[in-house]
Amino acid sequence: EVELVESGGGVFQTGGTLRLSCSAAGFTFSASAIHWVRQASGKGLEWLARIRDRGHSHAPTYSVSINGRSTVSRDDSRNMAYLEINSLKTEDSAVYYCTRGSSKDGYNFFGYWGLGTLVTVSS
Amino acid sequence: DIQMTQSPSSLSASVGERVTITCRASQAIDSYLNWYQQKPGKAPKVLIFAASRLQSGVPSRFSGNGSGTEFSFTISSLQPDDFATYYCQQSFITPPLTFGGGTTVDIK
Repeated sequence: EVELVESGGGVFQTGGTLRLSCSAAGFTFSASAIHWVRQASGKGLEWLARIRDRGHSHAPTYSVSINGRSTVSRDDSRNMAYLEINSLKTEDSAVYYCTRGSSKDGYNFFGYWGLGTLVTVSS
Repeated sequence: DIQMTQSPSSLSASVGERVTITCRASQAIDSYLNWYQQKPGKAPKVLIFAASRLQSGVPSRFSGNGSGTEFSFTISSLQPDDFATYYCQQSFITPPLTFGGGTTVDIK
């Protein structure tokens, strides 16, 4: 059974740095892209970042909202993915999810999600 | 980036009613459109991918339609378990895999 578990959330100060972890099990982690999505309280879903699988050289991509102040990484030997965001702003407060991309007949979607980890950024 | 616009942002309906949500893409995305259901405090769950293909295990009262820039999502007979927020998402040009703003379906 596929399982994704995020950790590392909590209360952070503006200007600070957070590092979230995503622990994966139940699938071939090294062959899977991992995405990060967040959701501010009462708001919609916002895609943040993707780190591709080993076959695509672990290439990272970021949304405009976190580009330039974030790093997504992974450790395939430990089935772990990470998202680091620095220069935190209050608008970074949200539930952060990691997701595993799924694909059927060339159509991609997010088939598996973690439960999310809550991040609160305050001044 | 491709923008996704959902309407309405919320609606009230009764059990047994037919409910339809629309999603418009800022440019043509063929059939690369997914629909998710999210309940409070839970992660989203994919219901439909490729605009009209039902994900395994999803009840047949859910359906999707459309291609290009205009899409619809229908619940043929609303059930108590269906009160939730629904999001569309494009997967044509990625990243980013942009989501619509969401439609909350609540009890009339």
